[in-house]
Amino acid sequence: DQQVKQNSPSLSVQEGRISILNCDYTNSMFDYFLWYKKYPAEGPTFLISISSIKDKNEDGRFTVFLNKSAKHLSLHIVPSQPGDSAVYFCAATDQTGANNLFFGTGTRLTVIP
Amino acid sequence: DVKVTQSSRYLVKRTGEKVFLECVQDMDHENMFWYRQDPGLGLRLIYFSYDVKMKEKGDIPEGYSVSREKKERFSLILESASTNQTSMYLCAREVGANYGYTFGSGTRLTVV
Repeated sequence: DQQVKQNSPSLSVQEGRISILNCDYTNSMFDYFLWYKKYPAEGPTFLISISSIKDKNEDGRFTVFLNKSAKHLSLHIVPSQPGDSAVYFCAATDQTGANNLFFGTGTRLTVIP
Repeated sequence: DVKVTQSSRYLVKRTGEKVFLECVQDMDHENMFWYRQDPGLGLRLIYFSYDVKMKEKGDIPEGYSVSREKKERFSLILESASTNQTSMYLCAREVGANYGYTFGSGTRLTVV
């Protein structure tokens, strides 16, 4: 049963515009959320995270928003650049023990020059 | 900078072969993981290990086994490779609560 869901398998955005990637989760015990970025033929790399005590975390062009009541988070990229084209995975954890990171199915972002 | 090294980037194996995928981390961390990534299915956990000689099944362990004789090395074994095991295999180690995992570059395995 998928506890973390990314319902959009792909997204295309013009360069310079905002990219919004969405993620939903079902487990109310999750208290930390991460976004990973993956290029083809490479492993995922950590992008940004947010604790459940916050509703927003910003790092440069990347901002993650968390809506706990809706069990929803989103990643905003502004402005989008062609180098942002990759697969983005949302992940969640309850920070207890090993095997505690649950991944979504990924969204492939294409930024069109 | 934490490094997780997977020995092969690309492998082609025949059906029925025994396949070893090697993963080495450069720090003395306990928790290591093997995932496979398939289009539309995301990252699925195969096995993980929280210490030497300790292993736990993940979500899709069938057809796989693992070995962890030393803390820095975690191997994934395909006992008898099948075509449905063609996939991208990713090894990871836990960095900590704030950053999740560090992944290796992946091994693209094709079973013919």
